[in-house]
Amino acid sequence: DVKVTQSSRYLVKRTGEKVFLECVQDMDHENMFWYRQDPGLGLRLIYFSYDVKMKEKGDIPEGYSVSREKKERFSLILESASTNQTSMYLCASSSPTTFYGYTFGSGTRLTVV
Amino acid sequence: ELKVEQNPLFLSMQEGKNYTIYCNYSTTSDRLYWYRQDPGKSLESLFVLLSNGAVKQEGRLMASLDTKARLSTLHITAAVHDLSATYFCAVDKIDNNDMRFGAGTRLTVKP
Repeated sequence: DVKVTQSSRYLVKRTGEKVFLECVQDMDHENMFWYRQDPGLGLRLIYFSYDVKMKEKGDIPEGYSVSREKKERFSLILESASTNQTSMYLCASSSPTTFYGYTFGSGTRLTVV
Repeated sequence: ELKVEQNPLFLSMQEGKNYTIYCNYSTTSDRLYWYRQDPGKSLESLFVLLSNGAVKQEGRLMASLDTKARLSTLHITAAVHDLSATYFCAVDKIDNNDMRFGAGTRLTVKP
């Protein structure tokens, strides 16, 4: 069964901490994405990557950075966590040739206190 | 900028009733998707619609696409409790590598 695995289901961090959210996919997909999900706002794209070491800003990149050193792994970094970054974070992957949509991870619920 | 609007955002239905969720998008897109999300779970792909007039059905759910109107509908027939979830529509373009989502419709089906 194909999978997108997010390393943590729940995280609690303090304001100002550097936070790493990890995502690994086993489908050899070229494209990977980070979204945040907030009630009433749907999913908003933070960053995406279409190849190793490549990254593109999404709609809300401020306060975030990403790293993609290997094809299967895409990390989201909160350089200095703030309370307004408390959210559900979803990772997804896809292939440019697929028409079946994205495969999503189970999500990481991050609380910044 | 590509925007996706869904309505309604909240929908409470009686079992056995029919209803439609609407999804409008602002610019030409190549593909339209419908996803389902159960509470505390990730998103599950339901349908991918690729062309004008496309219609897909799975059980009590039927999705259609009108690219000229930039509108997709998700029709629920004879709702049952198991359909209670949040439904998202999303669109993307083949050469754009990213997807934009609507805000989601939280559906509750009551006995």
